[in-house]
Amino acid sequence: AQTVTQSQPEMSVQEAETVTLSCTYDTSESNYYLFWYKQPPSRQMILVIRQEAYKQQNATENRFSVNFQKAAKSFSLKISDSQLGDTAMYFCAFMSSRSGYALNFGKGTSLLVTP
Amino acid sequence: KAGVTQTPRYLIKTRGQQVTLSCSPISGHRSVSWYQQTPGQGLQFLFEYFSETQRNKGNFPGRFSGRQFSNSRSEMNVSTLELGDSALYLCASRVWNEQFFGPGTRLTVL
Repeated sequence: AQTVTQSQPEMSVQEAETVTLSCTYDTSESNYYLFWYKQPPSRQMILVIRQEAYKQQNATENRFSVNFQKAAKSFSLKISDSQLGDTAMYFCAFMSSRSGYALNFGKGTSLLVTP
Repeated sequence: KAGVTQTPRYLIKTRGQQVTLSCSPISGHRSVSWYQQTPGQGLQFLFEYFSETQRNKGNFPGRFSGRQFSNSRSEMNVSTLELGDSALYLCASRVWNEQFFGPGTRLTVL
């Protein structure tokens, strides 16, 4: 079974600064998908960014970008120009066809953006 | 398009009772998955339904069951509730590799 590890339970960043959230995973598969989800206090799970393992280019979505290192099985999320609205739990997740497209989540990182 | 909806949003039950949660996927989506979120165990996959058939199942006891109707709406049932079943239950509808989550149902078991 795949495991997803987020080693930072809590992080804090000042508004307008940049922060990087770490995620590592373990799998023997070569084709899979990785995701970062955001869960604000409202509890609604929102997709932040997605990466297909077969793509070498790192995904970006506005202020959010990833550093995908397939050999190292690392998938970190960089948030640039942090905003107060970025305060939330961030979950790294793994998905593959072999797992029936079920999401396998890490334990999450609680990010606090301060003024 | 309307998003994924879940009802009820909050529920309080007592041990031994049973509960049914409902999820309506995004229009046109035929896949519905259920996840349990607890502080201790985090987010865990329960099961997925596609075209009224259970296609995938997580590692949960048989007290957790589900079904899907012809309009793709799904229900999840938990029988003989235990205190440890207190959780946020999230439903998601899926298209290919993207899952869209509902707001969740907060279940409290007393």
